[in-house]
Amino acid sequence: QVQLQESGPGLVKPSQTLSLTCAVSGDSITSGGYSWSWIRQPPGKGLEWIGHIYYSGDTYYNPSLKSRLSISIHSSKNQFSLNLSSVTAADTAVYYCARSHHGDFFNSWGQGTLVTVSS
Amino acid sequence: QSVLTQPPSVSAAPGQKVTISCAGSSSNIANNYVSWYQQIPGTAPKLLIYDSNKRPSGIPDRFSGSKSGTSATLGITGLQTGDEADYYCGTWDSSLSAWVFGGGTKLTVL
Repeated sequence: QVQLQESGPGLVKPSQTLSLTCAVSGDSITSGGYSWSWIRQPPGKGLEWIGHIYYSGDTYYNPSLKSRLSISIHSSKNQFSLNLSSVTAADTAVYYCARSHHGDFFNSWGQGTLVTVSS
Repeated sequence: QSVLTQPPSVSAAPGQKVTISCAGSSSNIANNYVSWYQQIPGTAPKLLIYDSNKRPSGIPDRFSGSKSGTSATLGITGLQTGDEADYYCGTWDSSLSAWVFGGGTKLTVL
């Protein structure tokens, strides 16, 4: 059974870059048919899809975040990562990594990590 | 403002049935599969329904999904206090080239 675990700083200063990594275990990140996703949830609010990446390197980004966003895959480490630049307080959220089946649904989730943007 | 519209809250008594609606458009629900997620506060979302009406293994048949036109519905029968959670619908939006979620519905089992 696949497991995902997010890691990264819990506090980021405004205007800096938020960087998170998702470690995948129990399955190879190179498995065909899956995409690897980031989803966030501001405190007390709903879910927001950030973007996802396929093993091929193809990426799909939320249009509202695209100009600040980069998702990359690290197959040798069985990990994928998120970089979100020029953050503001509005980027404060619990960030989840997830595995998506062909981009159709999210069938495995990490436990989530809270990132606070504050000086 | 979410692309998919869900009621903010629903409630029902234990043992009863409840439905949660998810309204979209021709660019999302009408032409793509819908999935539903249950989120108990403080935990990660959990897949309940995929491909609009299929249940992953381990999800009881008290949970069901359906889709018609630009709307989808999650049904829960035999409500239990453990079903109290937030429920989200989601699908791909072909116009936005983005995955979209509903705003979420808080279920209270009275």
